[in-house]
Amino acid sequence: AQSVTQPDIHITVSEGASLELRCNYSYGATPYLFWYVQSPGQGLQLLLKYFSGDTLVQGIKGFEAEFKRSQSSFNLRKPSVHWSDAAEYFCAVGAVGSGYSTLTFGKGTMLLVSP
Amino acid sequence: NAGVTQTPKFQVLKTGQSMTLQCAQDMNHEYMSWYRQDPGMGLRLIHYSVGAGITDQGEVPNGYNVSRSTTEDFPLRLLSAAPSQTSVYFCASSYSVTTGELFFGEGSRLTVL
Repeated sequence: AQSVTQPDIHITVSEGASLELRCNYSYGATPYLFWYVQSPGQGLQLLLKYFSGDTLVQGIKGFEAEFKRSQSSFNLRKPSVHWSDAAEYFCAVGAVGSGYSTLTFGKGTMLLVSP
Repeated sequence: NAGVTQTPKFQVLKTGQSMTLQCAQDMNHEYMSWYRQDPGMGLRLIHYSVGAGITDQGEVPNGYNVSRSTTEDFPLRLLSAAPSQTSVYFCASSYSVTTGELFFGEGSRLTVL
């Protein structure tokens, strides 16, 4: 079965500083990888996804992520954080079985942005 | 285009009561699923469906029932509520049963006393 580890429960970043959120996955084949963001009291919104091809993927709101097969990682980055980026971020891996896919989520990283 | 709609948004139950969380999507998605979110646990899959008449269990199915009689609707039933089912529940759908990109509802917060 697939699994996802987000090692950091909380991260605090100063506004304007760069951000990297870590994600490691475990899956036997090539995974489908996702990053979602959740603002307080809201549902989850897709930031970006990796299915195949270019290992550096661009998403919404200036986020990007890089798939590194050798490290089983899919870290999320942003060059300059804005106060509105404060939210909880979830990494997820999709595993295909019997012709359909289920998503397994990490436990999330809460991003706090300091002035 | 409403996307994924969940009702109710908030519900308080007593132990042993039953209830149904409703989920409807207007995107003609074949794949629908229910997750529960608990602090420090991320999202865990309860049940999912790859089309009308087809459902399967996820990671934490005990105490929950689902059915899929139409493409649009995927209700989640709590048969006999327990305090351990206090959680935020999310319904999500996808246009693809293979790539798994999910569109989420806004959640239903359930408290079981």
